[in-house]
Amino acid sequence: GDSVTQMEGPVTLSEEAFLTINCTYTATGYPSLFWYVQYPGEGLQLLLKATKADDKGSNKGFEATYRKETTSFHLEKGSVQVSDSAVYFCALSDPAETSGSRLTFGEGTQLTVNP
Amino acid sequence: DAGVIQSPRHEVTEMGQEVTLRCKPISGHDYLFWYRQTMMRGLELLIYFNNNVPIDDSGMPEDRFSAKMPNASFSTLKIQPSEPRDSAVYFCASSRKTGVSNQPQHFGDGTRLSIL
Repeated sequence: GDSVTQMEGPVTLSEEAFLTINCTYTATGYPSLFWYVQYPGEGLQLLLKATKADDKGSNKGFEATYRKETTSFHLEKGSVQVSDSAVYFCALSDPAETSGSRLTFGEGTQLTVNP
Repeated sequence: DAGVIQSPRHEVTEMGQEVTLRCKPISGHDYLFWYRQTMMRGLELLIYFNNNVPIDDSGMPEDRFSAKMPNASFSTLKIQPSEPRDSAVYFCASSRKTGVSNQPQHFGDGTRLSIL
């Protein structure tokens, strides 16, 4: 079955540091890939997405590129802020599955950014 | 547009009581998902619906849990009887599928459930 593996957290950085959160996946079909962010006390929010190989999703300074050859979708940001402190989830949606829009999530990575 | 609306935001009740969580999906979305989030187990998919029909309930922990979607704008997740180990944050999400593309899921703010 489909699966998503994220780098283990928690991750602690200083403000303005460079961020990378690794994400790799296995899927039977040609999935769409997503990064969701969860701020304390809130639900998950879509951060960015990519639907085909070499697509780059971007939002709020975050980027991730769909790499089919390495089955990866690593999240990056050049300069993090304290307000980026949250839990980040990598996810995939596999249209080959009969389940349609079902998402497979990674375990989540807690990011803390210190001033 | 209004997002996914869940109620209540917080629920505290005693063991053995019936608990009903409610969800209003985004208008026009034909998929609805119920998740449970805990520190120990992370984010778990409990059940999801397509056009009001349950498609996969394999994530429902046991018979004490049940979910319904009587119409396109409303769903409930019921726990009866509740137990302390059911304490968690329960999320509802909705999405739509256009052609072969899977649109992102939109999440509600969750219901924080505490069973004493």
